[in-house]
Amino acid sequence: EDQVTQSPEALRLQEGESSSLNCSYTVSGLRGLFWYRQDPGKGPEFLFTLYSAGEEKEKERLKATLTKKESFLHITAPKPEDSATYLCAVCTTSGTYKYIFGTGTRLKVLA
Amino acid sequence: DAGVIQSPRHEVTEMGQEVTLRCKPISGHNSLFWYRQTMMRGLELLIYFNNNVPIDDSGMPEDRFSAKMPNASFSTLKIQPSEPRDSAVYFCATRGGTDTQYFGPGTRLTVL
Repeated sequence: EDQVTQSPEALRLQEGESSSLNCSYTVSGLRGLFWYRQDPGKGPEFLFTLYSAGEEKEKERLKATLTKKESFLHITAPKPEDSATYLCAVCTTSGTYKYIFGTGTRLKVLA
Repeated sequence: DAGVIQSPRHEVTEMGQEVTLRCKPISGHNSLFWYRQTMMRGLELLIYFNNNVPIDDSGMPEDRFSAKMPNASFSTLKIQPSEPRDSAVYFCATRGGTDTQYFGPGTRLTVL
């Protein structure tokens, strides 16, 4: 069964304290892996798409990496405005387009 | 680009009433997805349209839920009759020439 698991569920960091969020996946065939940021009361905001193992994408303090079994979202020197829920999703190649979301990591960055 | 537009943003209704949620996709995007988000279950795909045709509705919880896409600029998700357990945030997302989905701001539905 296709599955996406994110860890940790919640993470509290001090401002400037770098860390990583994990997204592990089990799918029959990976078409792409996506990271989104979701602020309270808003829709998920697209961050990155990764397609193949070894691929990396960067945006400001965020860097996403992909292996054959998992993806990491590295946050370098976070700021309070980075506080949000970060969602990981995969698109599988089985049949029609099928997107499976993880339950997210709630990140709180303290000033 | 205005992004995905959803209306209403908030809906409060009583059990048994009909609820209609609306979505306007990003211009040029030919795939549209309806999701439901709850604390317990996260984001769940309800139905997916491609070129206005429903492709996969296996996530629609029961016959009380129906979705239509009469043209490339508009889609509706209808719940009739509504029940308290339908309370959630409903998102519409669209996709164009890539695999990336773009989400609307959501409709927060409360069924009393």
